[in-house]
Amino acid sequence: EDQVTQSPEALRLQEGESSSLNCSYTVSGLRGLFWYRQDPGKGPEFLFTLYSAGEEKEKERLKATLTKKESFLHITAPKPEDSATYLCAVGEKLTFGTGTRLTIIP
Amino acid sequence: GAVVSQHPSWVICKSGTSVKIECRSLDFQATTMFWYRQFPKQSLMLMATSNEGSKATYEQGVEKDKFLINHASLTLSTLTVTSAHPEDSSFYICSATDRNTEAFFGQGTRLTVV
Repeated sequence: EDQVTQSPEALRLQEGESSSLNCSYTVSGLRGLFWYRQDPGKGPEFLFTLYSAGEEKEKERLKATLTKKESFLHITAPKPEDSATYLCAVGEKLTFGTGTRLTIIP
Repeated sequence: GAVVSQHPSWVICKSGTSVKIECRSLDFQATTMFWYRQFPKQSLMLMATSNEGSKATYEQGVEKDKFLINHASLTLSTLTVTSAHPEDSSFYICSATDRNTEAFFGQGTRLTVV
């Protein structure tokens, strides 16, 4: 059974303060690890897909990396508009973690 | 990214009535659609997977007679909550994929049963 664990559960940062979110996973045959952003009351918005260990992808202030057991979402110099819940998921049926609720304080 | 439209975005219904939620892929053919349920401050829980033209596959613990899923075309799937009760109140989200791309999500439907 695919499992995903995200940490921390919640993170408050000052604007400009960089940090990383963690996603640990176990899956029978990785067919991609997915990162999504979810704003309150909305559906998840796709950010990245990573397929193999060592792969990295970037989008604006976000960079996602992947190892054989975990993925990190690095956020550099975040802005208040980056506040959201960040979800990772694995597997063909997208097993989701519980997410990290990120708050960026102006 | 691809666009998935979910309708309605919110609905209030009386206990005992049925509610239908639509999920449409607007710019691609979705061979597979997923339906999720999300409780406040919790993650998405997969309810069922539907492939176009075949019966949906339900996750353990999900009542298939209560949550009817139809995927009649490559661009439309519907979830009908039958004989809704207050405990069915939740945020329902669909996602769609053509198996060659990542899954894209609808904007969700907030169901409140009174």
